[in-house]
Amino acid sequence: EDQVTQSPEALRLQEGESSSLNCSYTVSGLRGLFWYRQDPGKGPEFLFTLYSAGEEKEKERLKATLTKKESFLHITAPKPEDSATYLCAVQGSSNTGKLIFGQGTTLQVKP
Amino acid sequence: EAQVTQNPRYLITVTGKKLTVTCSQNMNHEYMSWYRQDPGLGLRQIYYSMNVEVTDKGDVPEGYKVSRKEKRNFPLILESPSPNQTSLYFCASSLAGQGGWPQHFGDGTRLSIL
Repeated sequence: EDQVTQSPEALRLQEGESSSLNCSYTVSGLRGLFWYRQDPGKGPEFLFTLYSAGEEKEKERLKATLTKKESFLHITAPKPEDSATYLCAVQGSSNTGKLIFGQGTTLQVKP
Repeated sequence: EAQVTQNPRYLITVTGKKLTVTCSQNMNHEYMSWYRQDPGLGLRQIYYSMNVEVTDKGDVPEGYKVSRKEKRNFPLILESPSPNQTSLYFCASSLAGQGGWPQHFGDGTRLSIL
């Protein structure tokens, strides 16, 4: 069964304090691993898609990496506006219509 | 502007009164999906549609119906709502259901069933 586990559940950082969020997954035939950002009262906002182990993507202070078992979202020198819940999701080849989400990591960055 | 639009955004109703949440996308996407989000349970898929007239169950389809008669619209129907369907609902769309295309989400519909 396809499964996604994110850790930690919550993370508090000081502004400028870099850290990483983890997404561990099991899936039969990865078609894509997705990172989303969700602000309170809003729908998830797409950040990155990763397709194969070794792939990396960057956007501003965020960098996503992928291995065969997990993905990391690295946040470098975060700012208060990076505070949000970050969601990881996978799509497997056994049923490409299904997207399996992790429970998310809620990040708070204090000034 | 490319977007997924859900209506209503908020609804309080009573048990057993049929309701429909509409979802429309303007990106000519083939794939559409409905999710519910509950504290501690995360986002769970209700139904999805790979194309017009093609729908399939997600992980939590009980108590819901969908239809896909046009490419742009994918309404979610609760024929006899119950309090356990109180939740935050999201509609999403993507270019295709295969090939790892990212899904784009609406801003959500908060349903309260009394």
